[in-house]
Amino acid sequence: DAKTTQPTSMDCAEGRAANLPCNHSTISGNEYVYWYRQIHSQGPQYIIHGLKNNETNEMASLIITEDRKSSTLILPHATLRDTAVYYCIVTDSSYKLIFGSGTRLLVRP
Amino acid sequence: GAVVSQHPSRVICKSGTSVKIECRSLDFQATTMFWYRQFPKKSLMLMATSNEGSKATYEQGVEKDKFLINHASLTLSTLTVTSAHPEDSSFYICSARGGLAGERNEQFFGPGTRLTVL
Repeated sequence: DAKTTQPTSMDCAEGRAANLPCNHSTISGNEYVYWYRQIHSQGPQYIIHGLKNNETNEMASLIITEDRKSSTLILPHATLRDTAVYYCIVTDSSYKLIFGSGTRLLVRP
Repeated sequence: GAVVSQHPSRVICKSGTSVKIECRSLDFQATTMFWYRQFPKKSLMLMATSNEGSKATYEQGVEKDKFLINHASLTLSTLTVTSAHPEDSSFYICSARGGLAGERNEQFFGPGTRLTVL
């Protein structure tokens, strides 16, 4: 079973920031938080991952709370091409990714 | 990001035949590859984990004799669906992960293979 809880769907306006929350209240000390997204009929795309520090790359920022029980993925300037299902996944050193239902993000023009 | 390819991208076969799907890591050595399947409007379900040179580890409920996995090299893993039936029709996706010194540890996914069994 997936160890994360995400809202089923969200929407945001093009050009605005998209903030996608994820709860992982049972996360263990050695488990990472990974974010992937899947555009319709394609393989998932890696976005970002973190352990306890906030992370930023060219795609997004990942904010992890101090107690590590939740995190937020931030797409700073959403575009129409960011419309996808976003998966928040907690995994340990086995690197097995157990996908939950994800959040369906719709970016509106 | 790293590139993972799958072949074929889509396949249609008759019931009872076997189908082989290839997964290749094109620009890195994949010590571990994973196979998933996804039914329409559903999330990805992990089927098995394969490490180069060793037998695959299957998730609970996945028949190892039906879904044969071979990971003979650091860049190639194959999934063979044996005696396919219509209920095996699905979107099959592989992922690959490095792990050698200097390699990135993220999993990179292939584009998927859509299998339709008539």
